[in-house]
Amino acid sequence: EAGVAQSPRYKIIEKRQSVAFWCNPISGHATLYWYQQILGQGPKLLIQFQNNGVVDDSQLPKDRFSAERLKGVDSTLKIQPAKLEDSAVYLCASSLHPGAPHTDTQYFGPGTRLTVL
Amino acid sequence: DAKTTQPPSMDCAEGRAANLPCNHSTISGNEYVYWYRQIHSQGPQYIIHGLKNNETNEMASLIITEDRKSSTLILPHATLRDTAVYYCIVRLPNYGGSQGNLIFGKGTKLSVKP
Repeated sequence: EAGVAQSPRYKIIEKRQSVAFWCNPISGHATLYWYQQILGQGPKLLIQFQNNGVVDDSQLPKDRFSAERLKGVDSTLKIQPAKLEDSAVYLCASSLHPGAPHTDTQYFGPGTRLTVL
Repeated sequence: DAKTTQPPSMDCAEGRAANLPCNHSTISGNEYVYWYRQIHSQGPQYIIHGLKNNETNEMASLIITEDRKSSTLILPHATLRDTAVYYCIVRLPNYGGSQGNLIFGKGTKLSVKP
């Protein structure tokens, strides 16, 4: 079974530029998550989708971050404009569906490392 | 904030058992204990989870105390490839909302040495 795919793996941009990250979850997984991981810290949830609807975006800086999952499968996360403090690894995770621990376990992709200069 | 406390770092000799402790004294009755690990430059990897019984899978064993206020992850024969940051997380099951989201702390950096 293929895992969560993310691209690109690395991205370097100047501050005030825009950037987009792509995630393809495990096939059949209804729930998709984006996390931000700053160096030396654990991942922090940015947004959670259930199919193509947003369940939780309370930690997403909506003035500059946006995310969509239009067809309920793959998802994009965008930052516009980027700031220096956005330098981090952006992780995508997916789970089968809510309801029980054996179905809502999250599986993570390799992440995209963003450097903002 | 994370509801768990873990030592920041531990060492283990290759081939020996690695026992990683976690305190979760405020865990509620329906919260599960989850363990993930993150190898350098990779995303977190699910290891195991449990509610109150001890659990074992092909990767590890999870021992939860009877009062559920602490747990231990056991890697029975640690290898160099087990060097990683190990995260202990308590969470509710996700019933469709956000209440079961993972909240990561800083974890324990396990170094397996030859």
